[in-house]
Amino acid sequence: TQLLEQSPQFLSIQEGENLTVYCNSSSVFSSLQWYRQEPGEGPVLLVTVVTGGEVKKLKRLTFQFGDARKDSSLHITAAQTGDTGLYLCAGSGYSTLTFGKGTMLLVSP
Amino acid sequence: DTGVSQDPRHKITKRGQNVTFRCDPISEHNRLYWYRQTLGQGPEFLTYFQNEAQLEKSRLLSDRFSAERPKGSFSTLEIQRTEQGDSAMYLCASSSYLAGGLFSYNEQFFGPGTRLTVL
Repeated sequence: TQLLEQSPQFLSIQEGENLTVYCNSSSVFSSLQWYRQEPGEGPVLLVTVVTGGEVKKLKRLTFQFGDARKDSSLHITAAQTGDTGLYLCAGSGYSTLTFGKGTMLLVSP
Repeated sequence: DTGVSQDPRHKITKRGQNVTFRCDPISEHNRLYWYRQTLGQGPEFLTYFQNEAQLEKSRLLSDRFSAERPKGSFSTLEIQRTEQGDSAMYLCASSSYLAGGLFSYNEQFFGPGTRLTVL
């Protein structure tokens, strides 16, 4: 069974701070996706990383895929209150996604 | 059509009743997935369809759970004889898969979910 461990589980910061969340696995994935989920809503796809060592930037968010395609990180620069939510990573197999438990981010004004 | 839709958004039922949820995928997507998410957990895969064919159903939680996609468009998930442990968010997702493609990123787009509460 492929497992994804996300850390930290919970993060509470002030607006303007930087943060990094991690997604680690003992398995290799063909691709890895990051989602953000707000309470009572479905996950919204942020990015897909495919190549080992790949770095993708989405405004203030920077995503990195590990060289061995087993781990990934998400860095947020100058967090805003609108970044609050549950950040989920998901590793892609042939047909299904395996999700981690997520990192709950709370950004306070 | 700008995304995946699910109906109802919320369902409250009594233990022992049957419930059915509907999912309408993004129109050009041929794959449709069902997931369950409980509090403090990430989504857990249940089953998926490619067009009308159900290609994986071994991860359905019990024989009380069943899913259909009769015409390869919308799908329904039914839970028979609901139990309190079935209370969860049920999520639907869709993706586009090209047969014979060298590689599929398996990017899945989720609906808003159906929140089930079993009393």
